[in-house]
Amino acid sequence: AQKITQTQPGMFVQEKEAVTLDCTYDTSDPSYGLFWYKQPSSGEMIFLIYQGSYDQQNATEGRYSLNFQKARKSANLVISASQLGDSAMYFCAMREDNNAGNMLTFGGGTRLMVKP
Amino acid sequence: DSGVTQTPKHLITATGQRVTLRCSPRSGDLSVYWYQQSLDQGLQFLIQYYNGEERAKGNILERFSAQQFPDLHSELNLSSLELGDSALYFCASSKRGGPGELFFGEGSRLTVL
Repeated sequence: AQKITQTQPGMFVQEKEAVTLDCTYDTSDPSYGLFWYKQPSSGEMIFLIYQGSYDQQNATEGRYSLNFQKARKSANLVISASQLGDSAMYFCAMREDNNAGNMLTFGGGTRLMVKP
Repeated sequence: DSGVTQTPKHLITATGQRVTLRCSPRSGDLSVYWYQQSLDQGLQFLIQYYNGEERAKGNILERFSAQQFPDLHSELNLSSLELGDSALYFCASSKRGGPGELFFGEGSRLTVL
């Protein structure tokens, strides 16, 4: 089974509007972390936001917020007031703390395109 | 700039050849991770080193090997290259005590012809 599922291969959003990118995860580990990364066309991976499994509040970082619904095992990324520079691939990832290492497992990504 | 340095940025080689990719982690980071990003496989974890020791292994082929040196830089060796090895290879590092986010280098794009 996929550990991280991103069901939206591509999405369009109008500039200045908000957009939600979906992510569901699968783990039996009670302690884990969820991450979102942005990959622009230049290729680098940029860390955006983190949510720990025991965090009571949803994480926020500037225009990014993470809608964490633990019972549903979802960790959706919300980008408010979209900008043209937000056009990129977005990856959801998970770290399971029971693993020997603390590598991240990535989803397949969502390509976001912001329309002017 | 993440602080993680990867060389070379681009590499073109032929099938059957061997290449070495190099990574310098951020200052103070002891962990180094290697990932492969190809079009059909997404981002795949290959291997992790911590302070010179192998910590975890993912979907790394037997033709691939890696090591982390005393100065904490790491090298990924890819041998007997095949067309399907063409991909973007990322190195990442992480700091102790943080939430565990990985800081990625810009990647090494390998093209096997």
